[in-house]
Amino acid sequence: QVSLVQSGAEVKRPGTSVKVSCKASGGTFGRSGISWLRQAPGHGLEWMGGTIPFFGTINSAQRFQGRVSISADESTGTAYLDLSSLRAEDTAMYYCARAPDPTGEYYFDSWGQGTLVTVSS
Amino acid sequence: DIQMTQSPSSLSASVGDRVVLTCRASQTISNYVAWYQQKPERSPKSLIFAASSLQNGVPSRFSGNGSGTDFTLTISSLQPEDFATYYCQQYHSYPPIFGPGTKVDVK
Repeated sequence: QVSLVQSGAEVKRPGTSVKVSCKASGGTFGRSGISWLRQAPGHGLEWMGGTIPFFGTINSAQRFQGRVSISADESTGTAYLDLSSLRAEDTAMYYCARAPDPTGEYYFDSWGQGTLVTVSS
Repeated sequence: DIQMTQSPSSLSASVGDRVVLTCRASQTISNYVAWYQQKPERSPKSLIFAASSLQNGVPSRFSGNGSGTDFTLTISSLQPEDFATYYCQQYHSYPPIFGPGTKVDVK
């Protein structure tokens, strides 16, 4: 299975932005997709958005539209999540996950180790 | 959005027990269900996709079943490493939605 390695923990002030990266082992995504999900402390999993870099498709959940930007650099096999206008409720563990189906079916077979984002003044 | 519910929210079991977890969708989703296991302070681990297909490397004591709106994850003989929280997820319709989870702990 593909291994995904995420960037380190971040502490941010309210109103600022955070950028989290996710690098695939072997340096390529192939035709698979990468999604971003988050898990607030003591809560369940929430899908934020995803991309299939080979096809250039990007989707994001409606509740994050306007605040989230998802991108990928195929040359390095790295995906990125940008979340802006941060508020305390955005404090969570953020995961990238691989969606192996190239048709865009959002189920996941590999997960990154997680990146803790803390939003605090 | 399709909503996913899971029951029970928690259960206590012993090593060797047969455990059945249930997941229900708010509308029919064919077999577009995946299951994940998550241990405290760890990333989720993928177990099953397409309701009943095991991911590579997942022990055969795990099995999934169901179609339409009702789905189950069965652990045939609970092992010490299986104490965790289990999430179902639908991917029939956009956006993908997870259930709230079932926590399996030691009786």
